[in-house]
Amino acid sequence: AQKITQTQPGMFVQEKEAVTLDCTYDTSDQSYGLFWYKQPSSGEMIFLIYQGSYDEQNATEGRYSLNFQKARKSANLVISASQLGDSAMYFCAMREGPGTASKLTFGTGTRLQVTL
Amino acid sequence: GAVVSQHPSWVICKSGTSVKIECRSLDFQATTMFWYRQFPKQSLMLMATSNEGSKATYEQGVEKDKFLINHASLTLSTLTVTSAHPEDSSFYICSVGPSGFYEQYFGPGTRLTVT
Repeated sequence: AQKITQTQPGMFVQEKEAVTLDCTYDTSDQSYGLFWYKQPSSGEMIFLIYQGSYDEQNATEGRYSLNFQKARKSANLVISASQLGDSAMYFCAMREGPGTASKLTFGTGTRLQVTL
Repeated sequence: GAVVSQHPSWVICKSGTSVKIECRSLDFQATTMFWYRQFPKQSLMLMATSNEGSKATYEQGVEKDKFLINHASLTLSTLTVTSAHPEDSSFYICSVGPSGFYEQYFGPGTRLTVT
């Protein structure tokens, strides 16, 4: 079974609108972390937001928020007030187990295109 | 500023030759570094976990004799692609997960083209 599932290969959003990118995960660990990264055409991986499995509140970082629904095992990324510069690939990732010296497992990504 | 650097940023080599890619942790001591590979229009796939002072741990299906990893210091890990083939052409990215930080920091990546 896929550990991280991103069901939207591509999404379009108009500038200044909000968009939700879906991510579901599968793990039997109690302690895990969920990440969202942005990858522009240059290839660099830009960290956006993190949610720990024990965090009770949804994470927010500026225009990014993570809609964490633990029982449903979903960790959707919400981008508010989209900008043209938000056009990129977005990857959801999971780290299983406690500590940071653990590998990340990535989803297949969603390509977001912001239009005028 | 950059937390993790990679060198070179791109490289073209001929089939059968070897290529070395360096990953440096600039701000943290890293006992563990990770090497990922990304084919065009695909996701990142972990190749191996690089452990300072010991052997790397390879993911299933990754040939350890082909992708040699050396983690000789707390700030440097190298990936050597030996006897490169065109199918090894890919984007190679390293990451560092510093102790005490939840974030993993990624290098800018190295684009390898084997002709």
